[in-house]
Amino acid sequence: GENVEQHPSTLSVQEGDSAVIKCTYSDSASNYFPWYKQELGKRPQLIIDIRSNVGEKKDQRIAVTLNKTAKHFSLHITETQPEDSAVYFCAATRWGADKLIFGTGTRLQVFP
Amino acid sequence: DAGITQSPRHKVTETGTPVTLRCHQTENHRYMYWYRQDPGHGLRLIHYSYGVKDTDKGEVSDGYSVSRSKTEDFLLTLESATSSQTSVYFCAIKSTGMNTEAFFGQGTRLTVV
Repeated sequence: GENVEQHPSTLSVQEGDSAVIKCTYSDSASNYFPWYKQELGKRPQLIIDIRSNVGEKKDQRIAVTLNKTAKHFSLHITETQPEDSAVYFCAATRWGADKLIFGTGTRLQVFP
Repeated sequence: DAGITQSPRHKVTETGTPVTLRCHQTENHRYMYWYRQDPGHGLRLIHYSYGVKDTDKGEVSDGYSVSRSKTEDFLLTLESATSSQTSVYFCAIKSTGMNTEAFFGQGTRLTVV
């Protein structure tokens, strides 16, 4: 089955700096990679996703890149703001798969 | 917010007692999931369902059972609660098809004393 590793587990940045979170997956058949954000005391919510036929996707200050050959994908947040502080989870799955397996999460702290 | 609710939101129970958590959806989504969230471990899949009466194990299923007798309800039972099952439990729902978003419930904080 799919196994997703996520690094780093914690990340502290100064407001305005960039943050990068990396994930690797094991199942080469995986073709859909969502990212979820969980604010303190709240439920996880989808912030961006990417399919395997695309190498990069952007949405304002966040972007996700995918390297299928190396089986890793990354979340990039530019011009970080205090409200970006949260736990971020990556996931990997494939068409027809029932399971949704998440990485272990990254706690991002943005200091003013 | 997607139509998914968990009950109870908080529960304290004693070691050795059975506990049932309920997840209810109004979206008619096929897939339902139970995760537990613990520091350092992220979201770990306990059990999931791909239809009425169709369930399967996840990564950490020992000590847990599930049932889905109706599309809208997915129950998680701790057969004999242990302190290691103290956690925050999240239910999630997802429709069929590729690239579909999973929607999470508010979570249930369970403490086993």
